[in-house]
Amino acid sequence: ETGVTQTPRHLVMGMTNKKSLKCEQHLGHNAMYWYKQSAKKPLELMFVYNFKEQTENNSVPSRFSPECPNSSHLFLHLHTLQPEDSALYLCASSQGLRRGPGYEQYFGPGTRLTVT
Amino acid sequence: KQEVTQIPAALSVPEGENLVLNCSFTDSAIYNLQWFRQDPGKGLTSLLLIQSSQREQTSGRLNASLDKSSGRSTLYIAASQPGDSATYLCAVVNAGGTSYGKLTFGQGTILTVHP
Repeated sequence: ETGVTQTPRHLVMGMTNKKSLKCEQHLGHNAMYWYKQSAKKPLELMFVYNFKEQTENNSVPSRFSPECPNSSHLFLHLHTLQPEDSALYLCASSQGLRRGPGYEQYFGPGTRLTVT
Repeated sequence: KQEVTQIPAALSVPEGENLVLNCSFTDSAIYNLQWFRQDPGKGLTSLLLIQSSQREQTSGRLNASLDKSSGRSTLYIAASQPGDSATYLCAVVNAGGTSYGKLTFGQGTILTVHP
């Protein structure tokens, strides 16, 4: 596997379910990101992890819970979601943000989430 | 709060045309600007990254320019092909504050190139 991979690619879940999205990067990066892309809205940053430490939470509801066990893996745990949470969830990675934020971000293919 | 606007929202051209996509941002204090391509239902592919100290970057038929002081960037596509059909997204990383790595995106330009 190369680049940034995400699983599953598609997920349908009920509002009472608990599920997790997984992201893995094979680029030797140390920063990872979760983004949300809803229909007719710009991509929104959700979380940033830099060297396994969360450095950004963009006012995301607590029903979304990120986890970064190491620099190569990033999870997004989901519980009691709402239908308006249906979207494409994209993971990205970049070089570690130690000396500055200006590194190119590489994106995975996304997970298409539908909440019923 | 940084806002990124892309014009036009959609563009349809015949194959072979040269075209320009526009991006503007309200806060000129940025670290860099990145252009992405997104195919339907897919993730983003990075096309070009321009650091704040640079004025342009080129890759093949693509050329991106940056005028930081006026808050504008353009993506020029030469000799367009049907395979260029996709949504093109512009994004900036703000300087200052603690929002390291935070990309602010525009809504994109949907490009269709007809054979």
